[in-house]
Amino acid sequence: DTGVSQDPRHKITKRGQNVTFRCDPISEHNRLYWYRQTLGQGPEFLTYFQNEAQLEKSRLLSDRFSAERPKGSFSTLEIQRTEQGDSAMYLCASSGYNEQFFGPGTRLTVL
Amino acid sequence: RKEVEQDPGPFNVPEGATVAFNCTYSNSASQSFFWYRQDCRKEPKLLMSVYSSGNEDGRFTAQLNRASQYISLLIRDSKLSDSATYLCVVFSGGSYIPTFGRGTSLIVHP
Repeated sequence: DTGVSQDPRHKITKRGQNVTFRCDPISEHNRLYWYRQTLGQGPEFLTYFQNEAQLEKSRLLSDRFSAERPKGSFSTLEIQRTEQGDSAMYLCASSGYNEQFFGPGTRLTVL
Repeated sequence: RKEVEQDPGPFNVPEGATVAFNCTYSNSASQSFFWYRQDCRKEPKLLMSVYSSGNEDGRFTAQLNRASQYISLLIRDSKLSDSATYLCVVFSGGSYIPTFGRGTSLIVHP
C-alpha cells in the first residue's frame, strides 16, 4: 500500500496523559500536514512540514501540541497533558503539489 | 465572516436528480480550489480540482466564479453511492496552507 498511513487508528486516554501519533506519508511527497477534525466540521489546519522543516503552525495550536518530522519522512504529533477538548479525529495528509492525500486518521478520545 | 463557507445541508435528493452545491471564499487572492468527498467516519478523498475554465469528470462538474468568489459542484444523475459530505478547499495565493469548508452533506435516497 503506497498511500498515507497513520498509527494508531484509535486512542483512548485519560485526561492529563501524553499521547503520540505517527504518520507515514506517500514517499515522494515533500509536504506533510496535520489536521484536527471534529463532528460536523471540516479539517482544521494544525501544522505542516516541507521535508523536515516545520514551516507553519496554527495560531490556535496550544503549546501542548508538538510535531516533528526528523528525517523528512514520517512525522509524529504529540499532545501533552491531554484535555477532554482534545478529543477529535487527527488527520495527516501528504502533498506533492496542492492536492492532498489523507491518511485514515487517529481518533482520540480523552476521558 | 469565515474564510470558506458552505451550506451544511443536508441536501436530500432522489436517485437520478441533479444537485448543486456552492462554496464561497472571502480572500480574493485565493488561487487553488478543490472539492473533496468524505464518507462517514472516513478520511477526505480528492474528488476534483477546480480550474478557471471549469472541470468536468463524468457526472461531476466543478466551476469557479472569481467575480463572485465562489466555486460550485454539480452532480448529475445522482446515485445512492454519492451520499457523503462534500468539502471545498481553498488555497490563498502564495500559501501552501489550505482552508477547508465545513462540508455539505448529501443524502441520495431511492
